Amino acid sequence: DIQMTQSPSTLSAALGDRVSITCRASQNIGNWLAWYRQKSGKAPQLLIYAASTLENGVPSRFTGSGSGTEFTLTINSLQPDDFATYYCQQYNTYLTFGGGTRVDI
Amino acid sequence: QVQLQESGPGLVKPSETLSLTCTVSGGSISSGDYYWTWIRQHPEKGLEWLGYMYYNGNTFYSPSLRGRLFISPDRPNNQFSLRLSSVTAADTAVYFCGRARRNVVDHWGQGTRVTVSS
Repeated sequence: DIQMTQSPSTLSAALGDRVSITCRASQNIGNWLAWYRQKSGKAPQLLIYAASTLENGVPSRFTGSGSGTEFTLTINSLQPDDFATYYCQQYNTYLTFGGGTRVDI
Repeated sequence: QVQLQESGPGLVKPSETLSLTCTVSGGSISSGDYYWTWIRQHPEKGLEWLGYMYYNGNTFYSPSLRGRLFISPDRPNNQFSLRLSSVTAADTAVYFCGRARRNVVDHWGQGTRVTVSS
């Protein structure tokens, strides 16, 4: 099984901040990586796929980078909606999610 | 715009079978290029992929659930279903259905909470 490890598990930030979340895969997954945002009590929302491609309708303040085993999600200028939990997901072999990163005020 | 809605019992007894249905609107489960998937989230925990069904009915299951999980289509009603047998308290979770394109879940249901308890 491919394991996905996110860091940090919790991140404290303020409105307007730039934050980065890291996701590491236990083996090479190429660029088969997606990022999701989950607001409290809601279903996740797809932000980025293929490591760096922005899903339609997602604001450009979200950027993804990386390949192989290390990936980063960067959020420029945090907005109120962005205080949520973020998950990475590999889809090189089936689907596996990371443990999540909660972004708090 | 595709929409998905889960339905099913909120309480299941241990050792019984959990059955959930996902109703899809705004798109057909028989359309090519999509996988129809189930994902769950344990209380205050992360996301766990359970399995998916391809548009042609082929299924793929998480190795951790293989043998207990069955996903099937109901094409006349544009639905797909999950059946999870021999449930235990560890199966207590919010269950989401979703549509995936190339294994990326681009549309999700709102989720349905299932508790396993006697």
